[in-house]
Amino acid sequence: NAGVMQNPRHLVRRRGQEARLRCSPMKGHSHVYWYRQLPEEGLKFMVYLQKENIIDESGMPKERFSAEFPKEGPSILRIQQVVRGDSAAYFCASSPPAGANVLTFGAGSRLTVL
Amino acid sequence: QQQVKQSPQSLIVQKGGISIINCAYENTAFDYFPWYQQFPGKGPALLIAIRPDVSEKKEGRFTISFNKSAKQFSLHIMDSQPGDSATYFCAASMGNQFYFGTGTSLTVIP
Repeated sequence: NAGVMQNPRHLVRRRGQEARLRCSPMKGHSHVYWYRQLPEEGLKFMVYLQKENIIDESGMPKERFSAEFPKEGPSILRIQQVVRGDSAAYFCASSPPAGANVLTFGAGSRLTVL
Repeated sequence: QQQVKQSPQSLIVQKGGISIINCAYENTAFDYFPWYQQFPGKGPALLIAIRPDVSEKKEGRFTISFNKSAKQFSLHIMDSQPGDSATYFCAASMGNQFYFGTGTSLTVIP
């Protein structure tokens, strides 16, 4: 039973390029969350999605960042025109349908912006 | 606004000692309080969790103490080992909304 799968594990981009991070939730999980972790900092909530629906994007920066969770395929966190401050570890987590209170994290994608 | 406040930010404990990490929350609607453990380069992993209808939960060397009236909960690691050195996050949730503390970096000295 595969857990939450994230790829790529490491991504290097130059300033101005686009970064796409993918997350496949655990089998049976229909909710996906994205968190950002800066060095020596905690987990910052970014966005919470269900299939084809953004539930809460209150933690997403207003510009350059977007997320989707299509009917088929993984959830994608997209960062356009990356800047050095976007360098961080981005964690995806998934949970079963509403009310289950269970959050399982992936291993993270580490973005480095040169 | 930080929904869950966690302290200390870092903690150094001798091997065999007790590690204590504290968290506080404001929203009484929270109904689930998990603790996550994160090793360097890895994702956070669920360690132990408690619901507000009990005051304590123990799993091996790890114990959560929960004080509903004070809106506080804490993680106690008994007989701390060097392998426990990691970052610990407390969290509070209601339904599918999760709020994390800022994390505690624990170092257990041999």
